Amino acid sequence: DTGVSQDPRHKITKRGQNVTFRCDPISEHNRLYWYRQTLGQGPEFLTYFQNEAQLEKSRLLSDRFSAERPKGSFSTLEIQRTEQGDSAMYLCASSPYRGLEAFFGQGTRLTVV
Amino acid sequence: GQQLNQSPQSMFIQEGEDVSMNCTSSSIFNTWLWYKQDPGEGPVLLIALYKAGELTSNGRLTAQFGITRKDSFLNISASIPSDVGIYFCAGQSKGNKLVFGAGTILRVKS
Repeated sequence: DTGVSQDPRHKITKRGQNVTFRCDPISEHNRLYWYRQTLGQGPEFLTYFQNEAQLEKSRLLSDRFSAERPKGSFSTLEIQRTEQGDSAMYLCASSPYRGLEAFFGQGTRLTVV
Repeated sequence: GQQLNQSPQSMFIQEGEDVSMNCTSSSIFNTWLWYKQDPGEGPVLLIALYKAGELTSNGRLTAQFGITRKDSFLNISASIPSDVGIYFCAGQSKGNKLVFGAGTILRVKS
């Protein structure tokens, strides 16, 4: 399968714990995005990478959130000191350099208890 | 910030009927995308539109990029049970992020 891959698919964590999610984009895609989606809403932009450079971050991305794409391939999103309000679906997407179509992974469903 | 108003919020139609949904915004967008999302899955890209006035089809799906660049619609002809899901419009203006509507929930009676 050559689509966007996310791991894990589901994560349940206790409030205050740290969590890390991984995204493997489509191999030839330079651009990688993280979005967050809550129930009944469309995805909301969090951050964007072009190769290894993080070029844009949303104000939604508090200082407890950090994203990396160290070698311009896979990316990780870490949430420190999780809060119940962090419970959501975290979606990763990728697109080619000159394309604007974003292809999404299946998402990681985070539940903070 | 930029917002997309997507309507209707939900539709419950008979199998075989045509469906129409739309998105409007007070902002101009350079690109409009339409996605379908099934429960527990990520959105799947259906159609991408790049030029004002552009009309594009993908099987039973047809979408148009409004002339004013502030709206787009998606039509589904002869609906079938597997069309059930949530349909999202998304627009891109500045930078590379997409702004999404809140979605249209489609239910089909067979």
